[in-house]
Amino acid sequence: DGGITQSPKYLFRKEGQNVTLSCEQNLNHDAMYWYRQDPGQGLRLIYYSQIVNDFQKGDIAEGYSVSREKKESFPLTVTSAQKNPTAFYLCASSRVAANNEQFFGPGTRLTVL
Amino acid sequence: QKEVEQNSGPLSVPEGAIASLNCTYSDRGSQSFFWYRQYSGKSPELIMFIYSNGDKEDGRFTAQLNKASQYVSLLIRDSQPSDSATYLCAVRLGGGGNKLTFGTGTQLKVEL
Repeated sequence: DGGITQSPKYLFRKEGQNVTLSCEQNLNHDAMYWYRQDPGQGLRLIYYSQIVNDFQKGDIAEGYSVSREKKESFPLTVTSAQKNPTAFYLCASSRVAANNEQFFGPGTRLTVL
Repeated sequence: QKEVEQNSGPLSVPEGAIASLNCTYSDRGSQSFFWYRQYSGKSPELIMFIYSNGDKEDGRFTAQLNKASQYVSLLIRDSQPSDSATYLCAVRLGGGGNKLTFGTGTQLKVEL
C-alpha cells in the first residue's frame, strides 16, 4: 500500500523547544517537500530535496532545518528560532521529471503552547 | 501581484449545477498546472493536472488552460455536496525546477 506518512498527527510544543516532524514515503519518489499552511492561506514551501544528501531552501526556510539521509525519509525540525511555528505542516513527494505531480501526506498540526 | 491568484470565495452553487473555479498566474513561462481539493482539516488531494492549451476532461471534472491569457480553470459538472471543499490551484513556474507555487484557494459550497 504505497503512500506518504507523517507523524505525529498533532504536536504541542513549548516555547524555546525544538521539535521534529517525521515524513516517510514508499512511492520510490526522488523528490520530497515540506510546506506550511496557515488558516486561509495557501501552501508555502519551506524546504525541498531532489536527491539524497541534498536539499534546498524554499520561500520560508528561516527557523527550520531538514535532513535527507535516506530516499524514503525527509524529517523537518522546527527550531526555537521560528517565531510563529503554529501551523499545519504538509509533506509531499514527487518524481523528478518534467510535469511531475506532487502527492501529499496527511499533515501534522503543530501548536505552540 | 501574486504569482498565482484565486478568488477566495465562498463560491456557492446548487446541487447539480456546474461549478467554475478560476486561477490566474503571472509567469508566462509556467509549464504545468494542477488542481488540488482540500477538505477542512485534511491534506490536499490531486484531482487534475494539465500541461497543454485547451481542455482536459476526467469524469465530472474539466480543466481548461489558456496560456495566452494566463489562466487555468476547473469546471465541476453535476456538483454534489461532497464537492464542498477548498480548491487549490498550483503552478510549476518557468525555471522553477520541480517546485510548485500555490494559490490561496477557492472555497466551494454545494447547496442542497
